[in-house]
Amino acid sequence: AQKITQTQPGMFVQEKEAVTLDCTYDTSDPSYGLFWYKQPSSGEMIFLIYQGSYDQQNATEGRYSLNFQKARKSANLVISASQLGDSAMYFCAMRGRSNTGKLIFGQGTTLQVKP
Amino acid sequence: DAGITQSPRYKITETGRQVTLMCHQTWSHSYMFWYRQDLGHGLRLIYYSAAADITDKGEVPDGYVVSRSKTENFPLTLESATRSQTSVYFCASTIDTLNTEAFFGQGTRLTVV
Repeated sequence: AQKITQTQPGMFVQEKEAVTLDCTYDTSDPSYGLFWYKQPSSGEMIFLIYQGSYDQQNATEGRYSLNFQKARKSANLVISASQLGDSAMYFCAMRGRSNTGKLIFGQGTTLQVKP
Repeated sequence: DAGITQSPRYKITETGRQVTLMCHQTWSHSYMFWYRQDLGHGLRLIYYSAAADITDKGEVPDGYVVSRSKTENFPLTLESATRSQTSVYFCASTIDTLNTEAFFGQGTRLTVV
């Protein structure tokens, strides 16, 4: 069975600093995708970044990068130069090719950016 | 408008009543999902569907029923609502490739009293 674990319920970061949100996963599927979503206090789910299991390079999207360590089964999200608007809940998610395509999520990490 | 929409946005119902949450997407995405979001649990998968007339259970299916007679609609029914089903419900859709994100509806906040 697939599983996503986010061990940091809450995190604080100073504005303009970088922060890493942890995500570990468990799967026996050789082909899978990893996703990060942001959920601000307004409630909508916003897609941030994707990493494929066969991608050789870590994914980057603007200030977001994904530190993908396949052997350790970790897919940490790095946010550089934090902004006040980054305060939100962040979810790591995974979708496997052989697991009938279902998308599963971790418990989430609440990030608060301090001015 | 193109997108994925949920209705209603807010619902209060009584214990034991049947309630249906609607989800409609305009992209003809093959996959659709229903999640519930509760504090401390993140998003838990209730049911999902790979195509019209194909549905499967997720992590927490008990007390819920789904159907998908048309590709664009994926209603979720609580057959006899219980207080433990008070939650925020999200519907999502995506295509059948691993490298494409899922798109989410705005969510339905359901309160069972």
